[in-house]
Amino acid sequence: GESVGLHLPTLSVQEGDNSIINCAYSNSASDYFIWYKQESGKGPQFIIDIRSNMDKRQGQRVTVLLNKTVKHLSLQIAATQPGDSAVYFCAENGGTGGYQKVTFGTGTKLQVIP
Amino acid sequence: NAGVTQTPKFQVLKTGQSMTLQCAQDMNHEYMSWYRQDPGMGLRLIHYSVGAGITDQGEVPNGYNVSRSTTEDFPLRLLSAAPSQTSVYFCASSYLGRPGDTQYFGPGTRLTVL
Repeated sequence: GESVGLHLPTLSVQEGDNSIINCAYSNSASDYFIWYKQESGKGPQFIIDIRSNMDKRQGQRVTVLLNKTVKHLSLQIAATQPGDSAVYFCAENGGTGGYQKVTFGTGTKLQVIP
Repeated sequence: NAGVTQTPKFQVLKTGQSMTLQCAQDMNHEYMSWYRQDPGMGLRLIHYSVGAGITDQGEVPNGYNVSRSTTEDFPLRLLSAAPSQTSVYFCASSYLGRPGDTQYFGPGTRLTVL
């Protein structure tokens, strides 16, 4: 399987509880902030994004919060399920010239306890 | 649609050998990119392309070449492999490469250089 989980911070959550995954970003000029989910042996999968002029966005069971003052991003997963177990990456899109240049964070491993 | 496909899934090379990692997408996306993923470091952008005939460097381009002769294909070439290039490589594509466009990732190629 993937070795991407080595040395990653791990969040263990009981099934049915809410999960909160945090991320700090560095580029104040980034237009978009994105959360990806990566299951073992697979490529990253888009979950949700938020534009820099927003502070909250909701999707299905997920909410992303953006605090530009402290350069902080969080992903909230409601009613966490075993299928949510994966590595979660935040990413910022700081592309110039109108094109995306995405910079990924190091990731957090979410472990759901049945 | 098959989405983003990558070949091979696994590859072992000796130092100094060359090879090409293949990437193709069938979504008529203009923007394609290559990332490498090392343990504990998230994904780092190697090269990207905003359309056929146009490529540019990302964060870690040294040791890699790319070209984009068609919209569908974006191969990554290692001219003289080094152990430091041992990694998992992901190809991604998005519609026009604008900051809000969703990136779709392939399943990855795991490369080991001995």
